[in-house]
Amino acid sequence: GIQVEQSPPDLILQEGANSTLRCNFSDSVNNLQWFHQNPWGQLINLFYIPSGTKQNGRLSATTVATERYSLLYISSSQTTDSGVYFCAVQDTGANSKLTFGKGITLSVRP
Amino acid sequence: EAQVTQNPRYLITVTGKKLTVTCSQNMNHEYMSWYRQDPGLGLRQIYYSMNVEVTDKGDVPEGYKVSRKEKRNFPLILESPSPNQTSLYFCASSLARGAYEQYFGPGTRLTVT
Repeated sequence: GIQVEQSPPDLILQEGANSTLRCNFSDSVNNLQWFHQNPWGQLINLFYIPSGTKQNGRLSATTVATERYSLLYISSSQTTDSGVYFCAVQDTGANSKLTFGKGITLSVRP
Repeated sequence: EAQVTQNPRYLITVTGKKLTVTCSQNMNHEYMSWYRQDPGLGLRQIYYSMNVEVTDKGDVPEGYKVSRKEKRNFPLILESPSPNQTSLYFCASSLARGAYEQYFGPGTRLTVT
């Protein structure tokens, strides 16, 4: 099946810093989404971005489907950005299953 | 508000006592699925449904049942729960099978003793 690798596995930032989170995937995909899992365990949709670039406030994402990677940018980080960030991809098969990466644990310190 | 809801959010139960976790969406989505999340194993799909009365196994279906009698509801049934089913469970939905954004419920934290 499709492989999803996220890097770095852990990231510690000082409040106000910027960061880039990376997601590499091994095959063509129909769908790519970024999620934030908050300390209560909820998965929050950040971006649906199978290709191109999107921005939402301090967050933006870019997917280069032909090169099989996606980047999530966090600018002016805040303590509330802490948590685990997942990239998930949907391959071109019959089941619309999302395959998740292992996640990037982000800690933003005040 | 467009959303996926799950109940209960937290449950502690004992081995062998049948339970049902409900999932409902108000977006008229055709596609729904269940995932479990475990430390070190990540999120894995349990079952999915492409429409009413159409369900199929995901990657880890053993010990679970599902039904899809109505478009909005997709309950997850554990007939005889065991401790290895202790996990965080998520329901998800999307407009249809294919390249559509998927929306996740808030999660159900299940402990089986």
